[in-house]
Amino acid sequence: DIQLTQSPSSVSASVGDRVTITCRASQDINSWLGWYQQKPGRAPKFLIYASSSLQGGVPSRFSGSGSGTDFTLTISSLQPEDFATYYCQQANTFPLTFGGGTKVEI
Amino acid sequence: QVQLQESGPGLVKPSETLSLACTVSGVAISSSYWTWIRQPPGKGLEWIGYIYYDGSTKYNPSLKSRVTMSIDTSKNQFSLRLSSVTAADTAVYYCARVYSSAWYSDYWGQGTLVTVSS
Repeated sequence: DIQLTQSPSSVSASVGDRVTITCRASQDINSWLGWYQQKPGRAPKFLIYASSSLQGGVPSRFSGSGSGTDFTLTISSLQPEDFATYYCQQANTFPLTFGGGTKVEI
Repeated sequence: QVQLQESGPGLVKPSETLSLACTVSGVAISSSYWTWIRQPPGKGLEWIGYIYYDGSTKYNPSLKSRVTMSIDTSKNQFSLRLSSVTAADTAVYYCARVYSSAWYSDYWGQGTLVTVSS
């Protein structure tokens, strides 16, 4: 299975901060990486696919980049509604796998 | 608008079979692949498998021997069965739609907590 390692596991930030989350794959997954946002008690929300493409309705302050094994999710100016846990997911190889999550907290 | 809703028992005894259904509204179930994902309390996400309207499936090898998925196009519903459950199967179970162009999940149900306990 492809392992996805996210770092950091948690980050403390303030409104307006720039936040970057890293996801590293155990093998080359080209650009087959997505990102999700999950708030407590809620289902994950699909944010980004193919490493850098924003799903419809996702604010432009979210951006993704990377290919191969190293990927990043950046929130350019953190808003109150962005405090959540973020997961990466690889869509290159079955079984599909997720990273361990990064909690963005105040 | 695509909506998914999980249903099924919230409590299952060890060694028994967990059965959940996902009812889809807003789109024909024949239009997409559909998937189940679970999340143990306080932990990360685990992909269980997918099913297509023609009944074709793919399961996570870690669960393959215990998982069965089925689909009922007349009800716009798909289902999950997980046999021989243990406490390790306690989780929130989500059904979701597979994104049209790749193996992501773009629409999710709200999730249902299934606890395995005697």
